[in-house]
Amino acid sequence: AQRVTQPEKLLSVFKGAPVELKCNYSYSGSPELFWYVQYSRQRLQLLLRHISRESIKGFTADLNKGETSFHLKKPFAQEEDSAMYYCALLAYNQGGKLIFGQGTELSVKP
Amino acid sequence: NAGVTQTPKFQVLKTGQSMTLQCAQDMNHEYMSWYRQDPGMGLRLIHYSVGAGITDQGEVPNGYNVSRSTTEDFPLRLLSAAPSQTSVYFCASRGTEKGYTFGSGTRLTVV
Repeated sequence: AQRVTQPEKLLSVFKGAPVELKCNYSYSGSPELFWYVQYSRQRLQLLLRHISRESIKGFTADLNKGETSFHLKKPFAQEEDSAMYYCALLAYNQGGKLIFGQGTELSVKP
Repeated sequence: NAGVTQTPKFQVLKTGQSMTLQCAQDMNHEYMSWYRQDPGMGLRLIHYSVGAGITDQGEVPNGYNVSRSTTEDFPLRLLSAAPSQTSVYFCASRGTEKGYTFGSGTRLTVV
């Protein structure tokens, strides 16, 4: 079954510390993965997609097919990074549905 | 280009009432979806559509109906509201660029 798992509900770090938000997936086929960010009570915004290999706001994510992971990383966290982060998988074999993990709340303390 | 527009932003319903949450997109996207967001449960797919006239059930479809008579609009109907349907509802659409675009959400409370 297609599934996305984010094992941490809450991640709390201090400003300037490195951040890694974990995401593991289960998918039969070639996955397409995304990270979305939701700032307080706002709409979800696309942060990263694995096919573009971009760095947005200092965040990067690498797809590791061997470990079925797509962890989100940032070397130096900023207070404005505090938000809810969702990992998502595009399931082409299920009509193009976007399947979400449960989300990780990142709190960056001053 | 307004993107994905949801109305209303807030709504309070009494148990048993019905209502329609509106969703419209102006990007000519074929794929549209409805999600509900609940604390600790992430976003769960309610219904989705791969094009006008085609809809299918997601993970939590019970108590909700959808239709897709045009490419632009994808309304979500609550048939008989229950307190368990208190949630934040997000509509999203996807074009050929593959990433989904989300609306700003509807915060629904059922009392």
